[in-house]
Parts: sequence; structure tokens; C-alpha cells
Amino acid sequence: QKEVEQDPGPLSVPEGAIVSLNCTYSNSAFQYFMWYRQYSRKGPELLMYTYSSGNKEDGRFTAQVDKSSKYISLFIRDSQPSDSATYLCAMSAFTGGGNKLTFGTGTQLKVEL
Amino acid sequence: DAGVTQSPTHLIKTRGQQVTLRCSPKSGHDTVSWYQQALGQGPQFIFQYYEEEERQRGNFPDRFSGHQFPNYSSELNVNALLLGDSALYLCASSLGSGNTIYFGEGSWLTVV
Repeated sequence: QKEVEQDPGPLSVPEGAIVSLNCTYSNSAFQYFMWYRQYSRKGPELLMYTYSSGNKEDGRFTAQVDKSSKYISLFIRDSQPSDSATYLCAMSAFTGGGNKLTFGTGTQLKVEL
Repeated sequence: DAGVTQSPTHLIKTRGQQVTLRCSPKSGHDTVSWYQQALGQGPQFIFQYYEEEERQRGNFPDRFSGHQFPNYSSELNVNALLLGDSALYLCASSLGSGNTIYFGEGSWLTVV
């Protein structure tokens, strides 16, 4: 079993829809949770970063972390065609030295006109 | 403010050859990590350098080695290339163990 599980999709939604992307994890040591967006053949771009449980909002994006369920989500409101990309969740544990990220496989999102 | 820069962008190598990839971290960052991303997969952690020392290492063979220079830039070396080493190699940088981690655009390696 992988430490981080993420549905690969593809997920196709109409423009303006609310998108929900999710990851589950098994390592209870994870405390830092990130979402990255990756366009085709490009490097990952940091979207959201949260520490421990709770919600964080940034414009059209909201990240949620539920450590009791080992479940994290990214919500995209008013989705746009430019949001079409692969979304990667990533997490790390506090080790006192080093910030190795463990990624999910990524969910491919397509927002259609 | 320059982000993380990597070179070369693309390269093709033959099985058994050696390759060196280069990375300059984002301005103000002192920690560099390398990741391998196969097609359709998430990035896999190779190793991390801080203060010119390897601080963490993922589950990769000794064929993968690296170096960090006094100006914080870094190299990834892969020896005895295998077909399975074909992937996007990503460099990431941060300040210390901070979790605001930025990635470069990557180096696409094809082994034939």
C-alpha cells in the first residue's frame, strides 16, 4: 500500500463547476500538507500549504486537512479552462532535519467550456 | 526574483552512459532536493542537500549521487544508465527545513 493515495482521474467538469480533489494517507507522522499544480511537461507549482488540521483559503482555492481521518482535500471554485492540469498532493513529516515530500500520483483535471 | 533553474531541459543518453544534471535554487534558499517523476506518476524523492552534505536519501541505488556547491547550486549524477531511468528529473529548493518548497521546470532524460 502506498503512503499517499490519490485518484488519478481523469476528472472532467464544466466551466464554473466546483472541483473537489482528494488524497488519503497512512503515515500519521505527516504534519505538513501541500497541493501542487502541474501543467503538461512542466514542473510542479506550489498552490497551497497547510500545517496540521484545518482549512485554508486562497482566492478560488480552499485546502482542508482532517488528520483524524488521514484525508486532505482541495476545492476549486468557479473552475476555469486554465485550471486544466494535474493536481498533486504532497506531505511531509517533521524530522528535525530535512523536508522530504511524499507525493500522490496526481489527479488529471480537465475543465471544459 | 529568479526561481529554481535547471539545465539541460532535455537530453538523450545511451544505456550504460553517465549523466549530470544541474540546478540553481531560488534566491535566498539553501536546501536543494532532487526528485524523479516517471510518466503518469508523482515525483519520487531521491535525496536532499544542505550545507554541502546529503541530509536525506530516498530509496534509490548508489548509481544516483549528488553534490552541493558553496553557492547552494547542486548537481545530480546518474551512472550506468538504465532504460528505466528515463524520467523527468526535478530540482526543488527551500530555506532550511521549511515546507515552502519550490520546483524547477525539470530536466527530461531519455535513455535509449
